Parts: sequence; structure tokens; C-alpha cells
Amino acid sequence: DIQMTQSPSTLSAVVGDRVTITCRASQSVGSWLAWYQQKPGQAPKFLIYQASRLQSGVPSRFSGSGSGTEFTLTISRLQPEDFAIYYCQQYDTYPWTFGQGTRVDFK
Amino acid sequence: QVQLVQSGAEVKRPGSSVKVSCRAPGGTFRSNVITWVRQAPGQGLDWMGAIIPLIGTTNYAPKFQGRVTITTDKFTSTVYMDLSRLRSEDTAVYYCASVGDFGGDWGQGTLVTVSS
Repeated sequence: DIQMTQSPSTLSAVVGDRVTITCRASQSVGSWLAWYQQKPGQAPKFLIYQASRLQSGVPSRFSGSGSGTEFTLTISRLQPEDFAIYYCQQYDTYPWTFGQGTRVDFK
Repeated sequence: QVQLVQSGAEVKRPGSSVKVSCRAPGGTFRSNVITWVRQAPGQGLDWMGAIIPLIGTTNYAPKFQGRVTITTDKFTSTVYMDLSRLRSEDTAVYYCASVGDFGGDWGQGTLVTVSS
């Protein structure tokens, strides 16, 4: 199975910060990488697909980059509603696998 | 995007089976892949398996192989996930998610509680 490793596991930030989360794959997944946001008690929400494509309706402060084994999710200016857990997922090779999650909380 | 609606919460006894449904109210899954993911209390996301409803092909995570079956009813645009030989560790929220060329969407989740 392809292992997905996110860093950091927890990130403390304030509103307005630029936030970057990294996701590394144990082998190349091309551009078949998605990012999700999950808030307590809610289903995950699609943010980014194919590594850098913004899901319809997602604010433009979210962006994704990378290919192969290293990917990043960037939030350009953190907003109060962005405090959540973020997951990456590869969908290049079955079984599809998730990173362990990155919690973004208040500094 | 393909919006998804899941069936309601279930309480099951150890050793029994549960069948959770995932419907596309818009009437079609298009060519998207429909996957099943579960989340145990306080834990991360765990991928279980997937189906391409258009052609019916399935793929399962090794840890669930032999216990999970994913099927589709194209006429009602519904995908089903059947998990057998339930144990207490299977207590979780089960999600379906659609993944395609233009991103995707998630169902609202179905809580399955396994308790004697």
C-alpha cells in the first residue's frame, strides 16, 4: 500500500496567517492527490483534486501544488472558519490511502 | 458534482451484518468512482473500497477483503456497502464519496454502532 505522511500533525495559527501543510507519498502518485477539510461532527469536504484543481465553491485562498511524491496545501490568509482537520488522499493506486490528518487550531 | 444521500443510523449485534446505502438524488453517478470510507470515534479516515457504477468493477482494501461487498443498482442510482461479521471495533461513521474528473462530493455519513 502507498503510505501517505502529513506534516505537521498539528499546526497552531492565528487569523490572517499563511498556512502550509505537506503530504508525502511513499511512491509516486502522479497528480492523483486530493485534499479534504473536516470540521467536528461533519463529513469531510472536497477542497482540491488532481493535486492543484480547486473544487467548485471552495474559496480561492485554498491552493494545492506538487506532483509525484510531495504535495502541499496552502491557505493564503487563514479565516476563522478554516480551523479544522485537513487530510490528503492518493487515488492513483488501489487501495486508496489517506494521510493521518493535520489539525489546524488557534495559537 | 454528484451529491450523495446515505441511509440512516444502525445498531447491530456482534456477528451480524449491516448494509448502508448511498443514493445520487440527481439520478446518475456519471462516470465517477464511488468509494466507502469509515471513521471510528476520534480517529482518521480509513478507505474501505470502491466501485465504478457505470461498469460495476470493484476494489477493496486488504483489511476489509472478505467482509465487505460493494454493489450498485443503476436503475435507482444507489450504491450499497455490506459489512459482515461485525465486531465492536466496526463502530464508526461510514461515508460514501464520489470522485471524478471534476472533483467530487461526500455523503452525510451513517453511524453504525455494534453492541451486544
